[in-house]
Amino acid sequence: DTGVSQDPRHKITKRGQNVTFRCDPISEHNRLYWYRQTLGQGPEFLTYFQNEAQLEKSRLLSDRFSAERPKGSFSTLEIQRTEQGDSAMYLCASSLGTGVTDTQYFGPGTRLTVL
Amino acid sequence: ELKVEQNPLFLSMQEGKNYTIYCNYSTTSDRLYWYRQDPGKSLESLFVLLSNGAVKQEGRLMASLDTKARLSTLHITAAVHDLSATYFCAVGTYKYIFGTGTRLKVLA
Repeated sequence: DTGVSQDPRHKITKRGQNVTFRCDPISEHNRLYWYRQTLGQGPEFLTYFQNEAQLEKSRLLSDRFSAERPKGSFSTLEIQRTEQGDSAMYLCASSLGTGVTDTQYFGPGTRLTVL
Repeated sequence: ELKVEQNPLFLSMQEGKNYTIYCNYSTTSDRLYWYRQDPGKSLESLFVLLSNGAVKQEGRLMASLDTKARLSTLHITAAVHDLSATYFCAVGTYKYIFGTGTRLKVLA
């Protein structure tokens, strides 16, 4: 499968714990994005990378959230001191970063449940 | 701030019927995307619309874009059960702003 992959697919944690998610984009894609989706809503933009550079962060990304893409390939999203309000589906997407359309292709998501 | 609104939010329709989903956005955008999401699954890209008057069709789905009205439509022709899903429109370049989605249920 050459699509976007995410790990883990599901994560259950207790409030106050730290969690880390991984995203592997489509191999030739330069851009990588993180979104958060809560039940019944559309995805909300969190942050994106052009290669290894993080170019924009949403106000939704509080100080407890950090994302990295150290070598311009895979990315990690860490949430420290999780809160119940962090429960959501975390989606990763990637795109070529060139071309007129630059469509984003989404991974299967990591569903986080904070107890 | 760019806002994207879809209507209806829920749509229950009989197989074989036609219907249209509407997507309005608040500021100019040079790209509009339609995605499909099945329950518990991720988003699947359906269409990219780039210019005023653009029309794209795939099977029973047809999407169009009117940039002057800031309106896109997703038209469903002769619906079948397999089209049951949630449909999202999104606008933006690198930072997509998504609508709230239209949950479509096609009844046999």
